[in-house]
Amino acid sequence: KNQVEQSPQSLIILEGKNCTLQCNYTVSPFSNLRWYKQDTGRGPVSLTIMTFSENTKSNGRYTATLDADTKQSSLHITASQLSDSASYICVGGADGLTFGKGTHLIIQP
Amino acid sequence: EAQVTQNPRYLITVTGKKLTVTCSQNMNHEYMSWYRQDPGLGLRQIYYSMNVEVTDKGDVPEGYKVSRKEKRNFPLILESPSPNQTSLYFCASRLAGSVLYEQYFGPGTRLTVT
Repeated sequence: KNQVEQSPQSLIILEGKNCTLQCNYTVSPFSNLRWYKQDTGRGPVSLTIMTFSENTKSNGRYTATLDADTKQSSLHITASQLSDSASYICVGGADGLTFGKGTHLIIQP
Repeated sequence: EAQVTQNPRYLITVTGKKLTVTCSQNMNHEYMSWYRQDPGLGLRQIYYSMNVEVTDKGDVPEGYKVSRKEKRNFPLILESPSPNQTSLYFCASRLAGSVLYEQYFGPGTRLTVT
């Protein structure tokens, strides 16, 4: 059964600090790993898409890493801002996608 | 502006009363899909469509219908809604041809069935 597990479930950090969100996946077939940001009450917005052959991809202050051997991915947020408060969803798969439950991130001033 | 739109955004209805949630995209995308999002669960795919007149079941299709008569529209139909279909629904679209294309989500429709 395809699974995407994210940790932590929730995280609170102070504005300006860095943080790293984790994702472990067991997905077959697997061709790509995605990270989405979902603001409360809105649809998910794509942050990064990586193929199994890529190790890292950046989008501004967001940097995703992928280790296809250990089936792990991480999303690092640098110099957090209040607007980073959201849920971050890890997604793995090929044509079909398996979504994680998300990490709820709160940035405090 | 490139976008996926859904209507209505909020809907409260009663068990058994047929309803349709519309979805439209202006990006000329071939691939469209519907998801539901429930607390404590990840997004789950209900139905998807690779192109006009081509639809297929996702992970949780029971109780739902879809149609794809035009490329831009992909309505979700609940012929006899039940309380377990209370959920947040998202429509999404992307180009076909590669699984690496970015998927764009609509703003969501919050459905409550009493």
